[in-house]
Amino acid sequence: AQKVTQAQTEISVVEKEDVTLDCVYETRDTTYYLFWYKQPPSGELVFLIRRNSFDEQNEISGRYSWNFQKSTSSFNFTITASQVVDSAVYFCALSESQGAQKLVFGQGTRLTINP
Amino acid sequence: NAGVTQTPKFQVLKTGQSMTLQCAQDMNHEYMSWYRQDPGMGLRLIHYSVGAGITDQGEVPNGYNVSRSTTEDFPLRLLSAAPSQTSVYFCASSYDLASGETQYFGPGTRLLVL
Repeated sequence: AQKVTQAQTEISVVEKEDVTLDCVYETRDTTYYLFWYKQPPSGELVFLIRRNSFDEQNEISGRYSWNFQKSTSSFNFTITASQVVDSAVYFCALSESQGAQKLVFGQGTRLTINP
Repeated sequence: NAGVTQTPKFQVLKTGQSMTLQCAQDMNHEYMSWYRQDPGMGLRLIHYSVGAGITDQGEVPNGYNVSRSTTEDFPLRLLSAAPSQTSVYFCASSYDLASGETQYFGPGTRLLVL
């Protein structure tokens, strides 16, 4: 069965600090997909990144970077030089290629960036 | 493209009332789904559809019905609302979830059941 765990419920840092959001997943499928979404205070869900299980290359997009490690079943998200606008709830999610088509979410991490 | 749209944005119901949450997408996506978001629990899948005429249950389907008569629309029905259904509801769509296509979400409907 699919499962996603985001152990950090809330994180609070001062602006310009680096912060890493952890995501650990469980799946029996060999082909699967991992996602990160951002939910700002306005409430909408914004897609950030998708990664398939065969691509373990880390990805960097501006101040955002993602570290995918199959050996530890983790897909962590790092924000470098955080800004107040990064304050949001961040969700990690997993979908499998076999079985029921569903996207399973972690519980989310509430990130607060203080000025 | 309007993307995924949801109506209403906010609704207050009394226990026992029924209502339909509307969801539409104009991206010709085959896959559509409904989630509810509760504090500390992330998003949980209620029902989903892989195409017109095909629906299936998700993790928390009790108390909700769905149908998919067209590719564009995927309404969610509450037959007899209960306070436990107070939540924020999100509709989402994608081309094909099994191949890892990204799901895009609507703006959400905030429901309060008294």
